[in-house]
Amino acid sequence: AQRVTQPEKLLSVFKGAPVELKCNYSYSGSPELFWYVQYSRQRLQLLLRHISRESIKGFTADLNKGETSFHLKKPFAQEEDSAMYYCALSVHGSSNTGKLIFGQGTTLQVKP
Amino acid sequence: EAGVAQSPRYKIIEKRQSVAFWCNPISGHATLYWYQQILGQGPKLLIQFQNNGVVDDSQLPKDRFSAERLKGVDSTLKIQPAKLEDSAVYLCASSLASGVQGGELFFGEGSRLTVL
Repeated sequence: AQRVTQPEKLLSVFKGAPVELKCNYSYSGSPELFWYVQYSRQRLQLLLRHISRESIKGFTADLNKGETSFHLKKPFAQEEDSAMYYCALSVHGSSNTGKLIFGQGTTLQVKP
Repeated sequence: EAGVAQSPRYKIIEKRQSVAFWCNPISGHATLYWYQQILGQGPKLLIQFQNNGVVDDSQLPKDRFSAERLKGVDSTLKIQPAKLEDSAVYLCASSLASGVQGGELFFGEGSRLTVL
């Protein structure tokens, strides 16, 4: 079964502390994984994708196929990082089109 | 560039009534998605269009939900009759390429439905 699991509903840290938002997936095909973010009163938007291997706003995420994980990390949290974070898995169908399956989301709260 | 437009932003109805949501994707985006997001959960795909054809509607409750994308541009999602468990935010998203190449979906602000 295709599934994305984010075990933490809420992660609360102090400003300057390291952050790790956990994501595990289940998929028999070759996984493509993404992190989406929703800031307060804003639209859901792409944060980063694993194929780009990029750092966005100080966040990085490494795909670990052995552990089927794609955890999001940042060494020093900032208050403006407070938001809802969703891990998403791209699943490809028979018509060579894909769809995104989202995890349940983790609320990151960065306290001053 | 104008983003994905959705209306109405909020709707309150009683159970067994009907409701319709409208979405206008980003110009030139071939693929359009409707997601349902129940409070405390992640978005769940209801239906995916590529141009004006349905690609995936496996999770659409077809006994009460319907969607169309005439002319391959804007789309309407209808619920009739509504149930209490349909209370959710309905998100429309679009992407440039077919499917999820690159993974960037552009989302609208959502339509929040409350069924009493």
